[in-house]
Amino acid sequence: NAGVTQTPKFRILKIGQSMTLQCTQDMNHNYMYWYRQDPGMGLKLIYYSVGAGITDKGEVPNGYNVSRSTTEDFPLRLELAAPSQTSVYFCASRLRGQGSNQPQHFGDGTRLSIL
Amino acid sequence: DAKTTQPTSMDCAEGRAANLPCNHSTISGNEYVYWYRQIHSQGPQYIIHGLKNNETNEMASLIITEDRKSSTLILPHATLRDTAVYYCIVRGNFGNEKLTFGTGTRLTIIP
Repeated sequence: NAGVTQTPKFRILKIGQSMTLQCTQDMNHNYMYWYRQDPGMGLKLIYYSVGAGITDKGEVPNGYNVSRSTTEDFPLRLELAAPSQTSVYFCASRLRGQGSNQPQHFGDGTRLSIL
Repeated sequence: DAKTTQPTSMDCAEGRAANLPCNHSTISGNEYVYWYRQIHSQGPQYIIHGLKNNETNEMASLIITEDRKSSTLILPHATLRDTAVYYCIVRGNFGNEKLTFGTGTRLTIIP
């Protein structure tokens, strides 16, 4: 049981390039999330999904897109990379429990630099 | 979601119990208390959560006061690998999906 797996671990992009951050989980979790963490700051929610085919915006969705075609995978797409998107990106997942009290479990992150 | 207050930093001797406090005086009846930690720049690691009863798992114990306005995370036998930033998060049972990570407590385990 690998949990939440993110790839790549590190990436450097030029301004204007695009890329997809991959996230997969093998725990059969319904809910999946993307957060970003800027240096010395807390996590901010970008997008989340409550199941395959359903996605919703979080606090900071601008400049990102997501899709959820399967239960396991939740890729995050940057279309036109900007320096402000330099950050560490974390993917998380959780079970659908009673209400929303099931804890989220996180991957190890993707460190992205836009130069 | 209720706001939480934690000390900025704490030290604990290796092998001793580490007790991390958290105040959440505006907590409402359906809000859970969650504890996560982040080691270096790794992903946040879930530790434990509870509603009103004390909870224990293989990592830690969570003590919630009877009025639910504060809680304490206890690491019973701290090791050097427990050095991390610990976050206390209060979150409702229903509602928006984000976890609000504050500034947390930087716990340093001293050899």
